[in-house]
Amino acid sequence: DPKIIQKPKYLVAVTGSEKILICEQYLGHNAMYWYRQSAKKPLEFMFSYSYQKLMDNQTASSRFQPQSSKKNHLDLQITALKPDDSATYFCASSQELNSGNTLYFGEGSRLIVV
Amino acid sequence: QQQVRQSPQSLTVWEGETAILNCSYEDSTFDYFPWYWQFPRESPALLIAIRPVSNKKEDGRFTIFFNKREKKLSLHITDSQPGDSATYFCAAPTGGYKVVFGSGTRLLVSP
Repeated sequence: DPKIIQKPKYLVAVTGSEKILICEQYLGHNAMYWYRQSAKKPLEFMFSYSYQKLMDNQTASSRFQPQSSKKNHLDLQITALKPDDSATYFCASSQELNSGNTLYFGEGSRLIVV
Repeated sequence: QQQVRQSPQSLTVWEGETAILNCSYEDSTFDYFPWYWQFPRESPALLIAIRPVSNKKEDGRFTIFFNKREKKLSLHITDSQPGDSATYFCAAPTGGYKVVFGSGTRLLVSP
């Protein structure tokens, strides 16, 4: 059974709409992340959280908003969707945020914006 | 500015040959270098990792060679198998709170 659950696995959205990507991890980890993967930019870091606190944000656009309601949840809200947002969004987690910790990835949410 | 660079972008080897994947980095404070692999339509997963206190890390057919002075690493896959066909990412945790990945090397092992 997957230990990091991402929902939905696939979605098609209309330009200008809003979507929320869900992520829950059952590994007991304290750090969670969002990465984006597309043909243009493989595995691009977006956000990191530790104990539900935002630690790093490399996303220039405020259209991307992470939301952590529980320690093992890190959702990603994307507003005013653009075709360029089309990508696979991976949620990941690690035991702690510091160096040497292995990242465990979810199966990804593949978003297509038309 | 790309903090971790990989080459080649793609590589094809015959079954049984040694594949060599290269990685270089900018920041001399990086202290941990994991390699992740990703099979088509799957998520990345940790393959092998090294800390700069060592210049070599071996795990079966996979070996990382590390050159701290030149800020370079290489991943050697000996006796390559078709099942090794995947994209390989070199990564490094930065001084901030993120792990950055290189652009990946797509390896194809032909039988």
